[in-house]
Amino acid sequence: EAQVTQNPRYLITVTGKKLTVTCSQNMNHEYMSWYRQDPGLGLRQIYYSMNVEVTDKGDVPEGYKVSRKEKRNFPLILESPSPNQTSLYFCASNHAGELFFGEGSRLTVL
Amino acid sequence: GQQVMQIPQYQHVQEGEDFTTYCNSSTTLSNIQWYKQRPGGHPVFLIQLVKSGEVKKQKRLTFQFGEAKKNSSLHITATQTTDVGTYFCAGLKYGQNFVFGPGTRLSVLP
Repeated sequence: EAQVTQNPRYLITVTGKKLTVTCSQNMNHEYMSWYRQDPGLGLRQIYYSMNVEVTDKGDVPEGYKVSRKEKRNFPLILESPSPNQTSLYFCASNHAGELFFGEGSRLTVL
Repeated sequence: GQQVMQIPQYQHVQEGEDFTTYCNSSTTLSNIQWYKQRPGGHPVFLIQLVKSGEVKKQKRLTFQFGEAKKNSSLHITATQTTDVGTYFCAGLKYGQNFVFGPGTRLSVLP
């Protein structure tokens, strides 16, 4: 089954404790991206990757890092999480312009 | 930067009533997409519009792209409880990434 898988789905952490949200897709898509969703703001792009070893900033990249060592994986790294990064995060892959979203990861930073 | 707005933010309708959400961009778009997100779920691609003045239908859903390619609408005829969710438009400007609108949350009362 074609899918985008994110882990963890839910996480509560504390300020400053590094965390990684993994994202994996099995559709061999070249383009992958991360979004955060906050009430009233819709989906805002954090980072995107056009292909392996090619990443670029989206609209709200501050406080985040990404890597793309393999085509299928695109982890989102929060080196030092802060409470304003409490949000719902979605990973997506893109084929022919259509975005395929993962199930989402709800992150709470205390 | 590019901005995409949607109105209304919320809409409550009685089952069987029609529903329309409007999407407006501050700049001309190359294409526009619509996504639906059920409560607790992830956004799911509905459709992409590319041509000026384009109209597409999917059963009870009608999508329009404005002549100037700066606005779009989604109209649902005779809503059903299964239509509940948040509808997002996402505008793509030439050479740039998709920018999502804040969404319209639809509630359908049985």
